Amino acid sequence: GAGVSQSPRYKVAKRGQDVALRCDPISGHVSLFWYQQALGQGPEFLTYFQNEAQLDKSGLPSDRFFAERPEGSVSTLKIQRTQQEDSAVYLCASSIGSLGNEQYFGPGTRLTVT
Amino acid sequence: AQSVTQLGSHVSVSEGALVLLRCNYSSSVPPYLFWYVQYPNQGLQLLLKYTSAATLVKGINGFEAEFKKSETSFHLTKPSAHMSDAAEYFCAVSDLPGNEKLTFGTGTRLTIIP
Repeated sequence: GAGVSQSPRYKVAKRGQDVALRCDPISGHVSLFWYQQALGQGPEFLTYFQNEAQLDKSGLPSDRFFAERPEGSVSTLKIQRTQQEDSAVYLCASSIGSLGNEQYFGPGTRLTVT
Repeated sequence: AQSVTQLGSHVSVSEGALVLLRCNYSSSVPPYLFWYVQYPNQGLQLLLKYTSAATLVKGINGFEAEFKKSETSFHLTKPSAHMSDAAEYFCAVSDLPGNEKLTFGTGTRLTIIP
């Protein structure tokens, strides 16, 4: 398909483990976003790339969270030393890169930290 | 900083009745406004967006929304609810120059009563 894909769809981690979440954006999309959605809440912004440049990481909750997009396509969100409060759905979105344009969302990765 | 308030975390309407989901925003500059829908275990899908071209915006699945600057509102409506409209609806705003990130409301869960 031509949509945004994310893997894995579900991840269970023990507290203290490191996890890596992958996002494959729509081909040719310049902008890529990560959001965190807690149960019963709206998505909250984490970070934003334009090509390989990370333009805004103001939403990353702590220095345990790290995102990269080294070649301006696939992105990885890494969480080190996971905590229970990190349990959430992590959504990735991509867009063509202009203000006001639609962000296309992937299905999300549901992370459960036990 | 921009923010979005969605009044009513749960709304129930009868099949065939009017759907009205409320969204108020706070922004210091003319905003871009969006309504997204989320079905269970799926990513968010754009219903419609306001980008200053017209105050009444028509979207997919018979939904529309009207931008009212004086009321700082962007309420979502549909004249006749269908069972397939049952989902979670999110209003979002983007207004930072050069930054496409979205700020979402907490969502409204729409239930359709047969």
